[in-house]
Amino acid sequence: IVLTQSPGTLSLSPGARVTLSCRASQSVSSSYLVWYQQKPGQAPRLLLYGASRRAAGIPDRFSGSGSGTHFTLTISRLEPEDFAVYYCQQCGSSPLTFGGGTKVEIK
Amino acid sequence: QVQLVQSGSELKKPGASVTVSCKASGYSFTTYPMNWVRQAPGQGLEWMGWINTNTGNPTYAQGFTGRFVFSLDTSGTTALLQINSLKAEDTAVYYCASQSVWFVEGAFDVWGQGTMVTVSS
Repeated sequence: IVLTQSPGTLSLSPGARVTLSCRASQSVSSSYLVWYQQKPGQAPRLLLYGASRRAAGIPDRFSGSGSGTHFTLTISRLEPEDFAVYYCQQCGSSPLTFGGGTKVEIK
Repeated sequence: QVQLVQSGSELKKPGASVTVSCKASGYSFTTYPMNWVRQAPGQGLEWMGWINTNTGNPTYAQGFTGRFVFSLDTSGTTALLQINSLKAEDTAVYYCASQSVWFVEGAFDVWGQGTMVTVSS
């Protein structure tokens, strides 16, 4: 399953609301759609699983939605620590696949 | 504290082999499989496959068969990634990743810090 994330890069100011898109080449059960955040020089960090369930310790400004072939990650109000690369992943079928990532950078 | 601690950076010549280790602590190592993920410089994440931490049985993604070997150390809490006949295109950060608690299979809430493998003559 190919995951396509858009846009590739977003330039935004702190406080902005942002929605990232993840489109799948075939239907993915929402149970198996995951989002990660990765900062430079760090390992990815689990944000959401099951498309919308926040992982432990993830603030509620992060939310997810979607079904089938289109999923979104929304950050309601960007904090300085949120500027990073975001990846979606499907874990419903092998091989597990990741999207190419969306970079959220400071404007 | 739940963590995966990987071995340090490696610089190898083409044709050599390298072994990356990933030591787990703070959770039950044998409950969930250990996965390996590659990230080439400036690129995204690529799933390499996984190893059953009970049986040691590995499963490789396409593109990671032949030269890549997943195994478990006899200590019982360490996973190993061996790459043989290294090529320049193997230059990447290699991550181990797993689950520490059940939420959904194939999503990873615990990651190693990454091991940079550089292949250069």
